[in-house]
Amino acid sequence: RKEVEQDPGPFNVPEGATVAFNCTYSNSASQSFFWYRQDCRKEPKLLMSVYSSGNEDGRFTAQLNRASQYISLLIRDSKLSDSATYLCVVNSYGGSQGNLIFGKGTKLSVKP
Amino acid sequence: DTEVTQTPKHLVMGMTNKKSLKCEQHMGHRAMYWYKQKAKKPPELMFVYSYEKLSINESVPSRFSPECPNSSLLNLHLHALQPEDSALYLCASSQGTGYMTEAFFGQGTRLTVV
Repeated sequence: RKEVEQDPGPFNVPEGATVAFNCTYSNSASQSFFWYRQDCRKEPKLLMSVYSSGNEDGRFTAQLNRASQYISLLIRDSKLSDSATYLCVVNSYGGSQGNLIFGKGTKLSVKP
Repeated sequence: DTEVTQTPKHLVMGMTNKKSLKCEQHMGHRAMYWYKQKAKKPPELMFVYSYEKLSINESVPSRFSPECPNSSLLNLHLHALQPEDSALYLCASSQGTGYMTEAFFGQGTRLTVV
């Protein structure tokens, strides 16, 4: 089983749609979870950290389910500018190791 | 704008050349990383420096040699690379390597080996 697995893409949605991405991780000792977005030929940019209680930032909501080793990202009212690849990232060892493991990413395309 | 600066942005080198990639951050971060990213793939970790000491080397071939001269700078020395080493090389930094430490990436160096 891969360390971090994401929904296969691409997701093609109309503007205004709600879209959800899922991610599972294999290392139960993982403690830190993040969502990054990456535009074509650009660097990954931090979108959200994912906290145990779940967290929301505007149109974006992230949730963590430790029992199922599952992370989600919900985007409401999609905008054209949301088109990007969304990367699920897990600190594989937690604690002091700092080994950020990336999922393969899910490509989102928001259409007019 | 990113606060992690990488130079050069683009590099073309021959298989017998020696070149270096540079990364700089002035956020006071004590952990710095090198990642390699091929097209349509996620970034793959190469090296982690924590407090200027190499803490993780993900079995990277010796033709890649990292160096951390001080807490703000990270270099990646390249020698005798192969065409399959062509990729986007990303530097990142974080405050530490602990719980919920967020990493910030530079814009990357797009390397082509000919």
